[in-house]
Amino acid sequence: DTEVTQTPKHLVMGMTNKKSLKCEQHMGHRAMYWYKQKAKKPPELMFVYSYEKLSINESVPSRFSPECPNSSLLNLHLHALQPEDSALYLCASSQGPSEVYEQFFGPGTRLTVL
Amino acid sequence: RKEVEQDPGPFNVPEGATVAFNCTYSNSASQSFFWYRQDCRKEPKLLMSVYSSGNEDGRFTAQLNRASQYISLLIRDSKLSDSATYLCVVNSGGYQKVTFGTGTKLQVIP
Repeated sequence: DTEVTQTPKHLVMGMTNKKSLKCEQHMGHRAMYWYKQKAKKPPELMFVYSYEKLSINESVPSRFSPECPNSSLLNLHLHALQPEDSALYLCASSQGPSEVYEQFFGPGTRLTVL
Repeated sequence: RKEVEQDPGPFNVPEGATVAFNCTYSNSASQSFFWYRQDCRKEPKLLMSVYSSGNEDGRFTAQLNRASQYISLLIRDSKLSDSATYLCVVNSGGYQKVTFGTGTKLQVIP
């Protein structure tokens, strides 16, 4: 099973809402990532979890709050977002943090903030 | 200079043509390199890793030139299904951080 799954596929939320994005992988990977991708731009790294601990935060605003409940799951909690946060949010996983392994991406959540 | 640079294209090529993309990187300490393809409104998918000795997978050949700090992707006998954006990816900070190039758009024309 080489699949990373993400839910929901699409999300529309108001600026006062609280919502969560979910990501799951069953490949035994020990590193998981959140990326943000705007149209016609490459993915931008937001967070990295290694062995369920946050290892990289790319100075992401606190209205984005990541959580790694276990080695297979990664959540991104959203609160008080701005319209400019509308984007495709991609989750990825890789074998581990001890070498640069290939990352495998989920299909993404397309987020619209009204 | 950007960390990872690619010609955005688009490259419009006829079916059956050979096309090559280059990607330059600025960090001489980078050790790992990848090519991904991304279809419109889809996630990036790994195409191939790039090894020091170069590697080939069917119609696709990737090469690394450390002296000039660039990697290349050659696609032979282009198919309509090869139409996509090709993203160059380079590790940029330790083992966990990679940087994506802006991508090169390929359109294969019948």
